[in-house]
Amino acid sequence: GAVVSQHPSRVICKSGTSVKIECRSLDFQATTMFWYRQFPKKSLMLMATSNEGSKATYEQGVEKDKFLINHASLTLSTLTVTSAHPEDSSFYICSARDRGPGTDTQYFGPGTRLTVL
Amino acid sequence: QKEVEQNSGPLSVPEGAIASLNCTYSDRGSQSFFWYRQYSGKSPELIMFIYSNGDKEDGRFTAQLNKASQYVSLLIRDSQPSDSATYLCAVGVFSGGYNKLIFGAGTRLAVHP
Repeated sequence: GAVVSQHPSRVICKSGTSVKIECRSLDFQATTMFWYRQFPKKSLMLMATSNEGSKATYEQGVEKDKFLINHASLTLSTLTVTSAHPEDSSFYICSARDRGPGTDTQYFGPGTRLTVL
Repeated sequence: QKEVEQNSGPLSVPEGAIASLNCTYSDRGSQSFFWYRQYSGKSPELIMFIYSNGDKEDGRFTAQLNKASQYVSLLIRDSQPSDSATYLCAVGVFSGGYNKLIFGAGTRLAVHP
């Protein structure tokens, strides 16, 4: 399967700071990447769809000014959690869409565990 | 509201048995279906995808799709303790101009020696 990396894997920060998470597709070009959030013992919730060269599309209830997404190239998307607060503590996971003959799948990065103190 | 339903489990099976995981979905227009495995504290890992009615086999895994009943399942043959994880069913939907995945809450599988 395709390889997606995510950095950093773990972040601990103080309330009010901003945190930037990078998502890279290592062996394929991804015009579309997705950002998810997962709380303990809950399923993945899609936050936004990131498209290379255009503005991200946010799901209902997700604040676009708080969760800034930039998809600058076909292999890199970034999520910045601005002015993070304890309630933003979660497991953030990106995925990259791999489209080919007979296939259209998402491959996930390893995730970033964010803890806001 | 597009939904994907799974029994949360835990589903407990003995080593060597067949584990059967089930999933139903609400959007009749869905065309793509996925099973992911997620170990505790890790991100999901793609196991299989299926697009057509019927069965699709890959090693010890078999995905079954019945679009008329809006039902997709995953069978794991010769279950091993290393298969113990949460299995997420995901359904592709077209919404807001994009193809997205809607995830079920997952079924926790426990394979005991």
